[in-house]
Amino acid sequence: NAGVTQTPKFRVLKTGQSMTLLCAQDMNHEYMYWYRQDPGMGLRLIHYSVGEGTTAKGEVPDGYNVSRLKKQNFLLGLESAAPSQTSVYFCASSSPPGTMGETQYFGPGTRLLVL
Amino acid sequence: RKEVEQDPGPFNVPEGATVAFNCTYSNSASQSFFWYRQDCRKEPKLLMSVYSSGNEDGRFTAQLNRASQYISLLIRDSKLSDSATYLCVVSSNAGGTSYGKLTFGQGTILTVHP
Repeated sequence: NAGVTQTPKFRVLKTGQSMTLLCAQDMNHEYMYWYRQDPGMGLRLIHYSVGEGTTAKGEVPDGYNVSRLKKQNFLLGLESAAPSQTSVYFCASSSPPGTMGETQYFGPGTRLLVL
Repeated sequence: RKEVEQDPGPFNVPEGATVAFNCTYSNSASQSFFWYRQDCRKEPKLLMSVYSSGNEDGRFTAQLNRASQYISLLIRDSKLSDSATYLCVVSSNAGGTSYGKLTFGQGTILTVHP
């Protein structure tokens, strides 16, 4: 099992460019999440999904869009990148809360630099 | 006030030392509590869940005080490999949905030196 994988690992964008970050999990988890991590801020939730075809906003959704067309994949899109979106992006997946598998499993992260 | 607050450290301790981390949370409706570990430039990984009765996993002991809204992590006999950032994490239902919102503290940095 690969667990949670993310592509790309690192990317440099110019302001205004667009890109899509891909997250894939092979644990058959219903729930998937996108976080960003910035120095001194901890991890903050951008968007999440409780199942295939569903998405919802998290704490810091502005400037991002997501899609969950397949259960195993969760895509994060930046339509027009801004320097404020320079960050490390982590994807995570879990079983529904309250079950034995409540733990969130994280991917290795994508480092994004927006110039 | 942040929802989850931790002393950011850094804590610098020699091998074999005992070190304790503290964490407070503001949402009294929080339901589940965790400590995650994050190595430099890596993803967070679950270290242990925290139960009301307290729980131990080898050299690690976690405690929860719901009345004071306080969580702790004790590491005994520190190893060089314990050097990492330790994240206090609190889960609560968001808006009555089934989604368990995780709120992360900013982390406490631990460096264990020879």
